[in-house]
Amino acid sequence: EVQLVESGGGLVQPGGSLRLSCAASGFTFNTYWMSWVRQAPGEGLEWVANIKQDGSEKNYVDSVKGRFTISRDNAKNSLYLHMNSLRVEDTAVYYCARGQFVLAYWGQGTLVTVSS
Amino acid sequence: EIVMTQSPATLSVSPGERATLSCRASQSVSSNFAWYQQKPGQAPRLLIYGASTRATGIPDRFSGSGSGTEFTLTISSLQSEDFAVYYCQQYNNWPRTFGQGTKVEIK
Repeated sequence: EVQLVESGGGLVQPGGSLRLSCAASGFTFNTYWMSWVRQAPGEGLEWVANIKQDGSEKNYVDSVKGRFTISRDNAKNSLYLHMNSLRVEDTAVYYCARGQFVLAYWGQGTLVTVSS
Repeated sequence: EIVMTQSPATLSVSPGERATLSCRASQSVSSNFAWYQQKPGQAPRLLIYGASTRATGIPDRFSGSGSGTEFTLTISSLQSEDFAVYYCQQYNNWPRTFGQGTKVEIK
């Protein structure tokens, strides 16, 4: 059974940093693109970033470019999202998901709240 | 960035009735298009990809159609578990973009 479990969310002040993690199991992690998608409270979905199987290709939505970094550790079956210079508008549930084009498997999400 | 526009924002339907949801892309996405369902407190679930192919385990009352810029999701006979928010998504270009969602509520 495919499982994706996010962790690392919490309350952080504007300008602060946070690292999200996603532990993957139930599939061969190093053969799939992986993605992060976020959802602000009561709002829709925004695809934040994705990363190729070997980490050689990464894509970011403009709103996070230069502030967020997606990475992976295939030996640990883990996906990460390093978030710097956080803004109030980055407040959202962050989902880890499997895929490059469509997202057939999602984690349960981790809430990031940016507030003073 | 391709903008995805869903209509209506809210759809009130009685159980057993048919529901038709629409999504329009600001430019052609060919058939690189998907639908998701999201229930409160849950992650989205993939329903349809390739505009018309049901994902694994999705009941056949869900069907998708369209290509280019106009797409439709039809739920042939609404069940109680189908009341949720539905999102469209294009994957023709980066960034992948979602519509703002259509809430299907009980009439």
